[in-house]
Amino acid sequence: KAGVTQTPRYLIKTRGQQVTLSCSPISGHRSVSWYQQTPGQGLQFLFEYFSETQRNKGNFPGRFSGRQFSNSRSEMNVSTLELGDSALYLCASSSGLAEVSTDTQYFGPGTRLTVL
Amino acid sequence: KNQVEQSPQSLIILEGKNCTLQCNYTVSPFSNLRWYKQDTGRGPVSLTIMTFSENTKSNGRYTATLDADTKQSSLHITASQLSDSASYICVVRVEGSTLGRLYFGRGTQLTVWP
Repeated sequence: KAGVTQTPRYLIKTRGQQVTLSCSPISGHRSVSWYQQTPGQGLQFLFEYFSETQRNKGNFPGRFSGRQFSNSRSEMNVSTLELGDSALYLCASSSGLAEVSTDTQYFGPGTRLTVL
Repeated sequence: KNQVEQSPQSLIILEGKNCTLQCNYTVSPFSNLRWYKQDTGRGPVSLTIMTFSENTKSNGRYTATLDADTKQSSLHITASQLSDSASYICVVRVEGSTLGRLYFGRGTQLTVWP
């Protein structure tokens, strides 16, 4: 079956602008998680959505927000961009069943965001 | 404090050689530990998952070990190939949690030279 897709793959913005990233999970998966990856910090958890509700949230400022639609597709929005927001943004989908501790996350290829 | 530390940060080996990557964690209560491989420009892909009762698990040329007492895991790569060049990330999950309680190491960047 088709994997996780993310659009766009590359994005260049300037400080102060806002950006919206999109993620389409694997068919049947109800959980979508977003991560920020930078060389210095590695993978940092942003938030997780399950059945259109935010289920978990990492330690990022309120400029980072997201939502999930009824078809499980998810969007992430970053407002008032800062230089430090330059990173690879990855989304991952899974079944989201909390009782399945071995539930596997499948990652998309990421969106490379550059803030100038 | 829940943490996952990986070593070395980077490693260069010659094709055909073996190598071992380390992951130490202080995450508690422990549920499972997963190793991911991330090729440049791509998202991470799961290699193996280790639960509390498992000591060793293999996936082709990749063998992961887990010592739950010392809270250490290793990923051994046998007969390395150029395609093994990637970042290897160790991820530990807290027991009873949803995916929001995953703790990520910063990864080991492996380069295999011909």
